[in-house]
Amino acid sequence: GAGVSQSPSNKVTEKGKDVELRCDPISGHTALYWYRQSLGQGLEFLIYFQGNSAPDKSGLPSDRFSAERTGGSVSTLTIQRTQQEDSAVYLCASSSDREGYEQYFGPGTRLTVT
Amino acid sequence: DQQVKQNSPSLSVQEGRISILNCDYTNSMFDYFLWYKKYPAEGPTFLISISSIKDKNEDGRFTVFLNKSAKHLSLHIVPSQPGDSAVYFCAASDSGTYKYIFGTGTRLKVLA
Repeated sequence: GAGVSQSPSNKVTEKGKDVELRCDPISGHTALYWYRQSLGQGLEFLIYFQGNSAPDKSGLPSDRFSAERTGGSVSTLTIQRTQQEDSAVYLCASSSDREGYEQYFGPGTRLTVT
Repeated sequence: DQQVKQNSPSLSVQEGRISILNCDYTNSMFDYFLWYKKYPAEGPTFLISISSIKDKNEDGRFTVFLNKSAKHLSLHIVPSQPGDSAVYFCAASDSGTYKYIFGTGTRLKVLA
């Protein structure tokens, strides 16, 4: 079956613009995660969804970041008024288990803010 | 403060030899650990996991060892193959939560 897909694969935007990143999880997976990987860094947890609700938004770096999930499926990560430090690869993962012990990752969206 | 550390950013190993990737953690609440492999332009893929009730888990050429007293785990790949060349991440979790803390990764290069 299809894996986790993310779009776009690459996004270049000017500082100050808003961007939307999309994640299509594996069908039937109830848990969905967003991570960020900056250059030379590990995966930084951003937000976790169980169904459509986000019990943990603690990883979002600032109030410019928001995410939603609809229909227990597709999720969108929105970054408003982008800054150069937002440049990173944004990874989405889904899991069939609430504890998410095996997460399936998408290929990521490489965001470059100029 | 980094709770999961991979202190070797890179490692080169000859084909057929053993690769040993190391990971240290600081949070004694962590009781579930995973290793992921990542190729360029792809998302990480799950390799192997270990629960704190074990000290070893084996899957084919991959073995993970856990030393709880030292808060240290390692991934052994034997024999190493050129296709194993990738970035390897360890991740740790308190099984009562859903949040995984990832290390910064080790880039493994297996030389033919």
